Amino acid sequence: GIQVEQSPPDLILQEGANSTLRCNFSDSVNNLQWFHQNPWGQLINLFYIPSGTKQNGRLSATTVATERYSLLYISSSQTTDSGVYFCAALPKSDYKLSFGAGTTVTVRA
Amino acid sequence: EAQVTQNPRYLITVTGKKLTVTCSQNMNHEYMSWYRQDPGLGLRQIYYSMNVEVTDKGDVPEGYKVSRKEKRNFPLILESPSPNQTSLYFCASSWNRNTEAFFGQGTRLTVV
Repeated sequence: GIQVEQSPPDLILQEGANSTLRCNFSDSVNNLQWFHQNPWGQLINLFYIPSGTKQNGRLSATTVATERYSLLYISSSQTTDSGVYFCAALPKSDYKLSFGAGTTVTVRA
Repeated sequence: EAQVTQNPRYLITVTGKKLTVTCSQNMNHEYMSWYRQDPGLGLRQIYYSMNVEVTDKGDVPEGYKVSRKEKRNFPLILESPSPNQTSLYFCASSWNRNTEAFFGQGTRLTVV
């Protein structure tokens, strides 16, 4: 099956800093999503982005499908951005989203 | 409000006592699925359903059953729960397998 690798595994930021999270995937995909898992365990949809660039407030994402990677940008980070960020990919040949191991982000005041 | 609703949110049960975790979506989605999340193992798919009366196994189906009698509901059944089924469970839905998936709030299950 598809391999989804996220980096870095952990990220500590000072409030106000910018950061980039990376997701590499090993196969062509029909679906690529970014999620934020909050401290209560809920998975919050950030982006549905199988290709191209999207922005939502301080967050933006870019997927380069031909090179099999996606990037999530957090600008002017806030303490509420803390949590685990997951990338999930659906290969063209499969029926399930495969999740990466996540990046744990800690934003300090 | 468009949402996927799971119940219960938290459950502690004993080994062997049958239980059902309900999942309902109000978006008229055809595709629904169940995942479990475990430390060190990430999120893994248990079962999925392409439409009413169409279900299939995911990566970790052992010990679970599902049914899809109506488009909006996709319950997860543990006929004889065991401690290794202690986990955080998520239900998800989407128009089809390729479109954006939306997840429920999660169900924390502890089997003692």
